[in-house]
Amino acid sequence: ETGVTQTPRHLVMGMTNKKSLKCEQHLGHNAMYWYKQSAKKPLELMFVYSLEERVENNSVPSRFSPECPNSSHLFLHLHTLQPEDSALYLCASSQEARGTEAFFGQGTRLTVV
Amino acid sequence: EDQVTQSPEALRLQEGESSSLNCSYTVSGLRGLFWYRQDPGKGPEFLFTLYSAGEEKEKERLKATLTKKESFLHITAPKPEDSATYLCAVQERSGGGADGLTFGKGTHLIIQP
Repeated sequence: ETGVTQTPRHLVMGMTNKKSLKCEQHLGHNAMYWYKQSAKKPLELMFVYSLEERVENNSVPSRFSPECPNSSHLFLHLHTLQPEDSALYLCASSQEARGTEAFFGQGTRLTVV
Repeated sequence: EDQVTQSPEALRLQEGESSSLNCSYTVSGLRGLFWYRQDPGKGPEFLFTLYSAGEEKEKERLKATLTKKESFLHITAPKPEDSATYLCAVQERSGGGADGLTFGKGTHLIIQP
């Protein structure tokens, strides 16, 4: 398996649920990212990890909690979400955190009901 | 103020009708400019990276160019399979740490047979 793999592809959750999104990259990259894509809005950077250390947290609400246990895996833990959090959540990786192109997974389509 | 502005928002062309998509950016120092293609329900697919004014990159019917203020994605003799949303993103030079990409809203391109 190659590239960036995200699971699940689709997720419906209630506002009181706790769920996690998973991302795995098979490219040997050192940086991983979470982005949010909402309708009619540009992709928004949420978190950046470089060599397993979080180096950027783009003013994301605490109901989103990232975890990077190693350079190949990235999680986004979700709890007490709001309907406006419904969006496509994209994971990406790049060789380095600066100046190199990022490769994206297929995304998780999240619906909060 | 948006750092990355793409125009037009949508473009409909006949097969074989060449055109250009625009991406203008306002950052204090550009580390890199990136073009992606995104099909509905999928993650963005990397196309090109441009680093300095005057640089050009080509891939099949696509050619990307860069000036100090904007980038163009030229599409020559497009085919229906070129229909997609084309995204432009920039990475800004900063004093330290890692930076993710800042995206424009994209140009939705439709190529009619």
